[in-house]
Amino acid sequence: GAGVSQSPSNKVTEKGKDVELRCDPISGHTALYWYRQSLGQGLEFLIYFQGNSAPDKSGLPSDRFSAERTGGSVSTLTIQRTQQEDSAVYLCASSLTATTDTQYFGPGTRLTVL
Amino acid sequence: GEDVEQSLFLSVREGDSSVINCTYTDSSSTYLYWYKQEPGAGLQLLTYIFSNMDMKQDQRLTVLLNKKDKHLSLRIADTQTGDSAIYFCAEVQAGTALIFGKGTTLSVSS
Repeated sequence: GAGVSQSPSNKVTEKGKDVELRCDPISGHTALYWYRQSLGQGLEFLIYFQGNSAPDKSGLPSDRFSAERTGGSVSTLTIQRTQQEDSAVYLCASSLTATTDTQYFGPGTRLTVL
Repeated sequence: GEDVEQSLFLSVREGDSSVINCTYTDSSSTYLYWYKQEPGAGLQLLTYIFSNMDMKQDQRLTVLLNKKDKHLSLRIADTQTGDSAIYFCAEVQAGTALIFGKGTTLSVSS
C-alpha cells in the first residue's frame, strides 16, 4: 500500500513569506506527527495529532508555527513570516493508533528560507 | 543525561560487523527503535525492540537492550557498502512522540 506522502518535496521561499506543507498519512492511521530535521538541532518533534483529540503542540518552536488536520487524514503545517532559522527538512509520520505503534515516515519537505 | 546519545561516526570495512551504540533517557520507554536515513532520503524503520526484551535478531541485524544501563545497540553483521547511512536511535513513551538521538554516520569502505 501507499506510504506517507508529503508535498512539496522542496520549497524555497523568501524571509517573511508564509508557507504551507502538506502530509498525507497512511490510510487508516489515526495518529500523525510532524518533526523537523536541521543540522544544528537533529530531529525535533513539533506536533502530534491523535484521532479527534486536541493536538499535542508542545514541540512547536514559536507561535508562527501551526498545523491542522482535516477529516482525520491530511495535515497541513503552516509557517508564518518565515525566518532563515526555519530552513530545515520537515518530516511527517503516521502510526496506526497510539504513539507506541510504529511510526512510518514520509520523504520530507526541504524548506529553504532565503 | 536528558538526551538520547549516540556516537557521531563509525567507520568499518566491508564484511566486518558494525556496532552502533545508544544511551536513552527514560527507563519507562516502551519501545526503542532504529531508523536508517540514506543521503537525501527520509527515515526508514530498520527494527525495533519492546522494552521487556533483551535481544532481537532480524537477518543481519541484532538489537541488544540493557534496561539497567539504558543502553541499546545495533549490530550489523557482514556490513556492506549499501549499509552506509545515518542510523538514528529513538525511544517512545506512551502518549509522547519519538525522541531521537543525533544519529551515527556509518561509513563502509570496500
